Order: sequence, then C-alpha cells, then structure tokens
Amino acid sequence: GNSVTQMEGPVTLSEEAFLTINCTYTATGYPSLFWYVQYPGEGLQLLLKATKADDKGSNKGFEATYRKETTSFHLEKGSVQVSDSAVYFCALHQTGANNLFFGTGTRLTVIP
Amino acid sequence: DTEVTQTPKHLVMGMTNKKSLKCEQHMGHRAMYWYKQKAKKPPELMFVYSYEKLSINESVPSRFSPECPNSSLLNLHLHALQPEDSALYLCASSQRYGTETYEQYFGPGTRLTVT
Repeated sequence: GNSVTQMEGPVTLSEEAFLTINCTYTATGYPSLFWYVQYPGEGLQLLLKATKADDKGSNKGFEATYRKETTSFHLEKGSVQVSDSAVYFCALHQTGANNLFFGTGTRLTVIP
Repeated sequence: DTEVTQTPKHLVMGMTNKKSLKCEQHMGHRAMYWYKQKAKKPPELMFVYSYEKLSINESVPSRFSPECPNSSLLNLHLHALQPEDSALYLCASSQRYGTETYEQYFGPGTRLTVT
C-alpha cells in the first residue's frame, strides 16, 4: 500500500540554521511527491513538488529531491527564518489511486 | 487566481443545530474535496466531487452531507454533530480527478467547534 513516514517532531532551530526534514515513502509504481506547509491557524499551501525520479522541487529557498533508490524526498533549507515556523507535511499521489497520502507532519519552530 | 475561499472562518454550533460550510474556487477546476483535520494530525479525506458528482465518500457519517451545486461551489451541510467532530475542515480543488496527478489547492479552512 501507500504510506509516507516523516521524521518525528517538533524541530526547533535557531535562525539561519540548516534545516532537514526527512520523508520516506512506500508506493507501487511511480508516485508524485509533495511538500505542503501549514502556518498557524491556516490551511495547507503547496510548497514544492516532484513528479519523477531525480526531479528536484524548489521554492522559497526550500528544496527536495525525489530519490527513487532510497524512496525518499527530504526537505532542506540552507538558512531558516523565524517566518518559516510552521508544520510541514510530506505527501504522495499514487498514479491510479487518485488521493493524496499525507505523512503525520513535522512542526518546525525557528527562534531568533 | 489560484485561490480557494472558505466561509465561515470560525463556526461554533450546538449538537442540535444545522449549519453549512461553503467553499468556492474560480480556477475552472472540476474536482473538489473536503478534508477533516484534527489538532496535530494530517488532513483526512472525507469526500471527493468530480464534475459535480460525488466520486468518493470515505465512510463519513450521515450527519455530514456534501453538496456540489455547480463547478465552482462546494458545500458541507452539518446536522446533529458531536463534540468529537470539532476540527478544521479544509476544502481543496484540482484541475481534474483521475489517474493522472493533479495538484490540489487548499483553502484556509473553517475551524468548527461543536458544543
């Protein structure tokens, strides 16, 4: 079946620190992979996506590379800001399955 | 315009009330979704509409009744809810619903409290 596993949170970093949030997945075939971000009190926003192996999604300084060999899609940012404090969800869309499968979310807090 | 709007932003209702949540998009999307999100959990899919027809009902209790009056609007009618139904209700839309991958755009959600 399809599943997404994210690193346990919460994650607390100082401003300008390097961020990695791990995400691994289980799926048959070739899913598309997404990172969504949810700021406090708001809905989900698509942060970035990758639709095939070795694709790199990037947006607002965040990056993630679709690694088929390790079934991973880790989120990285070189220098986090206080405004990046949010919950980050990794998700996959399995071709033919129609629905999004979400990980449990990782809460990031960035302190000045 | 890549916006999905939801009203109201907050809703408090008693267990005997009837209320409705509203979702709207003007991106020409033909698939619309309702999700329920409890605190510190990922969103859970409730319903999917494709071309204004109900395609997926994830075994949601009948006290939740979805309606898609046209391609831009999605409603969720609520009746006789329980306190455990308190959650953030998210609406999303995508270009299509099917075997291809279509990006979902989410609204800001309605925070529902059942007293």
